[in-house]
Amino acid sequence: DTAVSQTPKYLVTQMGNDKSIKCEQNLGHDTMYWYKQDSKKFLKIMFSYNNKELIINETVPNRFSPKSPDKAHLNLHINSLELGDSAVYFCASSQVSTPRAGGDEQYFGPGTRLTVT
Amino acid sequence: GDSVTQMEGPVTLSEEAFLTINCTYTATGYPSLFWYVQYPGEGLQLLLKATKADDKGSNKGFEATYRKETTSFHLEKGSVQVSDSAVYFCALFNTNAGKSTFGDGTTLTVKP
Repeated sequence: DTAVSQTPKYLVTQMGNDKSIKCEQNLGHDTMYWYKQDSKKFLKIMFSYNNKELIINETVPNRFSPKSPDKAHLNLHINSLELGDSAVYFCASSQVSTPRAGGDEQYFGPGTRLTVT
Repeated sequence: GDSVTQMEGPVTLSEEAFLTINCTYTATGYPSLFWYVQYPGEGLQLLLKATKADDKGSNKGFEATYRKETTSFHLEKGSVQVSDSAVYFCALFNTNAGKSTFGDGTTLTVKP
């Protein structure tokens, strides 16, 4: 019973190509995220969706376009891939609590290692 | 904006040694604080959390106390094992902004 799943696990492609990564969560959470982790393990948030609506869009090139067909899915499409896009991309989900309850425990997928040659 | 600063790695310890990984934060309001662990080849998973000042989070022998006066959330374990080798991330969630901020991660290697 995988809580947050991503496909593919590995993706090797050439510069200039367009590729997509898919993410699904079966936890019933309202919020989903995409993160990028570079070779030094630094983790940067890219996007956040709440109930299919974009709520966080950090400074990410327009070549990256997230799509959320329903609240259990958040896909990431990347156009015109560049060498610098090589990284591990993580999907995550959370049930954002009310301010009183506190906490935003996130559940992460296993990651997609993207290599652009 | 919010920020999380954690101890730079890598940290190398012998088995059964005491572990401390420092974490300090800057945030408006009253954030919730987390430690996540990432084992090789895997995604991050929650290790422990604390949602208000003076709360202590604990799990698998790890502990961290939410210190508002020093804006810190240091991770400790009394006796590490080889299986604790991983990357550890300190993070906060700002309920006002509805957003998480992660530290840069600290790589821990435990040698037998």
